[in-house]
Amino acid sequence: DAKTTQPNSMESNEEEPVHLPCNHSTISGTDYIHWYRQLPSQGPEYVIHGLTSNVNNRMASLAIAEDRKSSTLILHRATLRDAAVYYCILRKAVQTGANNLFFGTGTRLTVIP
Amino acid sequence: GAVVSQHPSWVICKSGTSVKIECRSLDFQATTMFWYRQFPKQSLMLMATSNEGSKATYEQGVEKDKFLINHASLTLSTLTVTSAHPEDSSFYICSATFLVGGEQFFGPGTRLTVL
Repeated sequence: DAKTTQPNSMESNEEEPVHLPCNHSTISGTDYIHWYRQLPSQGPEYVIHGLTSNVNNRMASLAIAEDRKSSTLILHRATLRDAAVYYCILRKAVQTGANNLFFGTGTRLTVIP
Repeated sequence: GAVVSQHPSWVICKSGTSVKIECRSLDFQATTMFWYRQFPKQSLMLMATSNEGSKATYEQGVEKDKFLINHASLTLSTLTVTSAHPEDSSFYICSATFLVGGEQFFGPGTRLTVL
């Protein structure tokens, strides 16, 4: 499975934008880029996903490099509730019933009031 | 939509006892459910994949006789930790999907503490 690389931790001031990077140099053409986040003592929560084009939703934006070897999750205004571990995951477009989400170590985001 | 619940949210048990954790898809029928385990400060590790009406597929290194998985219906899967020991203390998380290879929706997790 294609691997992703993320910084172990990042800090942001409250109400400022946050850019969380992810490298996935071995991504294949059928891999979707997914972002999940995990708040303390909770299960993972879907944030956003994309294939080639940049994506926006109410939670965040996803900027995908033209060569797709990296992507950036953008939180436009960080709040204290955004403090979590953010996982960048590559997911195959077509799979059997087998698992297609493999979690790395993620980036622990700390939001400073 | 696509809500997954787990019960209990936390459990404390004595060493040697068995503990059952339930995972339910509340508003959809789950073709597949997954069980993960997460130790403190570590990432999620897949334990097993469960399809309704068939035997679960366990990941390498996960003892199927110790972690019994039953997926009796399209909305319920259970994980039973048999003869639990302190090293089994962990955060157990399930997820469910209604499309083969589709999005996984995660439960809130169950924290197991074995004394």
